[in-house]
Amino acid sequence: GENVEQHPSTLSVQEGDSAVIKCTYSDSASNYFPWYKQELGKGPQLIIDIRSNVGEKKDQRIAVTLNKTAKHFSLHITETQPEDSAVYFCAARKSSGNTGKLIFGQGTTLQVKP
Amino acid sequence: DTAVSQTPKYLVTQMGNDKSIKCEQNLGHDTMYWYKQDSKKFLKIMFSYNNKELIINETVPNRFSPKSPDKAHLNLHINSLELGDSAVYFCASSRSQGISEQYFGPGTRLTVT
Repeated sequence: GENVEQHPSTLSVQEGDSAVIKCTYSDSASNYFPWYKQELGKGPQLIIDIRSNVGEKKDQRIAVTLNKTAKHFSLHITETQPEDSAVYFCAARKSSGNTGKLIFGQGTTLQVKP
Repeated sequence: DTAVSQTPKYLVTQMGNDKSIKCEQNLGHDTMYWYKQDSKKFLKIMFSYNNKELIINETVPNRFSPKSPDKAHLNLHINSLELGDSAVYFCASSRSQGISEQYFGPGTRLTVT
């Protein structure tokens, strides 16, 4: 079945630096790739997503890139701030069957040091 | 104006008990989900309902039974609770079962002693 690998599991950066989180997926039929941010004690919140017909998408300080051939996608956060500290999850899903089933990566705990 | 709400937020109970978690969404969405997040933060889907119809049923013990009285509500009932059921359970909803953003609730932390 579909599998999503996420690296690194923890990431510590200085405020103002960039952070990059990488994910690979196994099912080449996957065509939707969201990223979620989970703050302590809260539910995951969608921060950006990308569909398979797009190679890159940017929203202010966050961007996501997708390489369909290599089956990997990455989250880039620039000019990190302490409030970016959270657990980040990538996910993948395919539209066949239209079940909306998201397969999540293992999560990355990002710590931004002031 | 909460989008997806869950009750209770915390649930502490003993092994063998039966408990329920309730979820409601006021977004007018057609599809709702239950996810389990274990102690290592791993998120895994358990069930999904679309317009009150079960569409995803992962390999979950039959002690877990979801119920959707209407498309705005998806409850999770757990029988004969076990220690391994301790986790955070998240409800989520999306506009449709196709590719659309999933909105998560705040979670219910279940502790079985």
